[in-house]
Amino acid sequence: NAGVTQTPKFQVLKTGQSMTLQCAQDMNHNSMYWYRQDPGMGLRLIYYSASEGTTDKGEVPNGYNVSRLNKREFSLRLESAAPSQTSVYFCASSGKGLAGTYEQYFGPGTRLTVT
Amino acid sequence: QKEVEQDPGPLSVPEGAIVSLNCTYSNSAFQYFMWYRQYSRKGPELLMYTYSSGNKEDGRFTAQVDKSSKYISLFIRDSQPSDSATYLCAMIGGATNKLIFGTGTLLAVQP
Repeated sequence: NAGVTQTPKFQVLKTGQSMTLQCAQDMNHNSMYWYRQDPGMGLRLIYYSASEGTTDKGEVPNGYNVSRLNKREFSLRLESAAPSQTSVYFCASSGKGLAGTYEQYFGPGTRLTVT
Repeated sequence: QKEVEQDPGPLSVPEGAIVSLNCTYSNSAFQYFMWYRQYSRKGPELLMYTYSSGNKEDGRFTAQVDKSSKYISLFIRDSQPSDSATYLCAMIGGATNKLIFGTGTLLAVQP
């Protein structure tokens, strides 16, 4: 099992360019999440998808869009990148575990720099 | 005030020391409590989780929840240099289905 995979690992964009971050999970989880992590700010939720076909805004959704392509894949799109979107982006997934809890499992992250 | 507060550190201890990491929270509806470990330039990995109040032990790690004080702790016994990482607490419960994270504590175990 690969768990949660993310592509690309690194990306440099110019202001105004667009890009899509890809995420896939092979754990048959229903829920998937996109976070950004900035120094001193911790993990902040951008968007999440509780199940296939649904998406909802998190704490910091402005400037981003998401697509839940199928149960496995959840993508994050930056339509017009801004320097404030320089961050490390993590995808996560969760499903009901053996103990009935909903732990989240994270991918390795995408380091994005916007110049 | 943030829902979850965590001292960012850094916390530096000698190898073999007992480490205590803590978080406080304000939402009494939280029921599931987790600790994640994040090595530099890696994604967070789930270390431990507990439900409601009480202790849970896994090897050198013990997670403790005190719901009456809204306080959770992670203890690391016989700390090793390989334990050097950022530790994030996280919790969920009540009406929200979103995991709320602390900002993380950076731990350095010196050999």
